Amino acid sequence: GENVEQHPSTLSVQEGDSAVIKCTYSDSASNYFPWYKQELGKGPQLIIDIRSNVGEKKDQRIAVTLNKTAKHFSLHITETQPEDSAVYFCASQDNAGNMLTFGGGTRLMVKP
Amino acid sequence: KAGVTQTPRYLIKTRGQQVTLSCSPISGHRSVSWYQQTPGQGLQFLFEYFSETQRNKGNFPGRFSGRQFSNSRSEMNVSTLELGDSALYLCASRRGGDGELFFGEGSRLTVL
Repeated sequence: GENVEQHPSTLSVQEGDSAVIKCTYSDSASNYFPWYKQELGKGPQLIIDIRSNVGEKKDQRIAVTLNKTAKHFSLHITETQPEDSAVYFCASQDNAGNMLTFGGGTRLMVKP
Repeated sequence: KAGVTQTPRYLIKTRGQQVTLSCSPISGHRSVSWYQQTPGQGLQFLFEYFSETQRNKGNFPGRFSGRQFSNSRSEMNVSTLELGDSALYLCASRRGGDGELFFGEGSRLTVL
């Protein structure tokens, strides 16, 4: 089945700096790549997603890039703020059963 | 509109007991997925139901089972509980067969 690797597992940045989280996936037929943010005591919430026919997508301070050839995708957060502190998960959806497989998560800490 | 609702939010059981968790999806959503979240293993997929049929199943033992009712509400059951079953169990719904998952806040199970 699909395998998703996510790095780093923890990331600490200063407020205003950029943060980058990277994921690789194993199934070349995967077609949908969402990113979720999980705050303490809450369920994960979608922050941005990208489909396999697109290379990059932006939404204000957040962007996602996809390299289908290398089978990796990345989350970029610019001008980080303390409220960006959370656990971020990448995921990959397979083309057959549309099952979402999640990466191991990245704990992002933004220091004021 | 109301989000995904999970009950109970917290529960404590002892080894050997069984537990049933409930999930009410967002109105109009026909797909319900269940995930187990633990600090060491991240988000592990349990199963997905779509229109009362199990569509996908993760690599969990037969002690973990689920079902979906005609109103799309879902339940999952864990029998013969083990200490390692202590986790946050997350339910997520989506309208159709793919795309964004909307998560509930989870049911935190502690097995003593």
